[in-house]
Amino acid sequence: RKEVEQDPGPFNVPEGATVAFNCTYSNSASQSFFWYRQDCRKEPKLLMSVYSSGNEDGRFTAQLNRASQYISLLIRDSKLSDSATYLCVVNNNAGNMLTFGGGTRLMVKP
Amino acid sequence: EPEVTQTPSHQVTQMGQEVILRCVPISNHLYFYWYRQILGQKVEFLVSFYNNEISEKSEIFDDQFSVERPDGSNFTLKIRSTKLEDSAMYFCASSDTNSPLHFGNGTRLTVT
Repeated sequence: RKEVEQDPGPFNVPEGATVAFNCTYSNSASQSFFWYRQDCRKEPKLLMSVYSSGNEDGRFTAQLNRASQYISLLIRDSKLSDSATYLCVVNNNAGNMLTFGGGTRLMVKP
Repeated sequence: EPEVTQTPSHQVTQMGQEVILRCVPISNHLYFYWYRQILGQKVEFLVSFYNNEISEKSEIFDDQFSVERPDGSNFTLKIRSTKLEDSAMYFCASSDTNSPLHFGNGTRLTVT
């Protein structure tokens, strides 16, 4: 089983739509969780950390379900500029050795 | 906002040659990393560095790889004898204690 698994997509949605991505992780001892965004041939950029109680940042909401070992990202009112690959990232230890999922590609169309 | 900077942005080298990829982490960060991403694949951890020594490394980071912080600002990744399969984007990152990683804009390494 892959350590961090994501549906690669692409998810094609119209502007203004709500879209949700899920991610599952295999290591039940994982300690911290993130969503990063990656544009084509660019570096990953932190979108948001994911907290146990769930957290929201503007149009973005992240949820963590430790019992089922999955993480979700909800994007409301999609913008064209949201088109990117969204990377689910897990930190399995006390250090900062991050394990990346393969990413979910989102394309927002006019 | 402070940034992690990497040079060069693109490096082309012949198989068997040595390359050095350079990074300037964010100035007050204490933890430094190298990750790589082969085209079309996921981002993979190579090595982490703290207090002037390697703290963790992956299976990818074999004897052909080394890292160094030669002065107070640069953090380098050396590949001693490049192979075709080393072609990838190499991302440097830095972080403060318990903070998320900030990635540089990457060096695209092409081995011919």
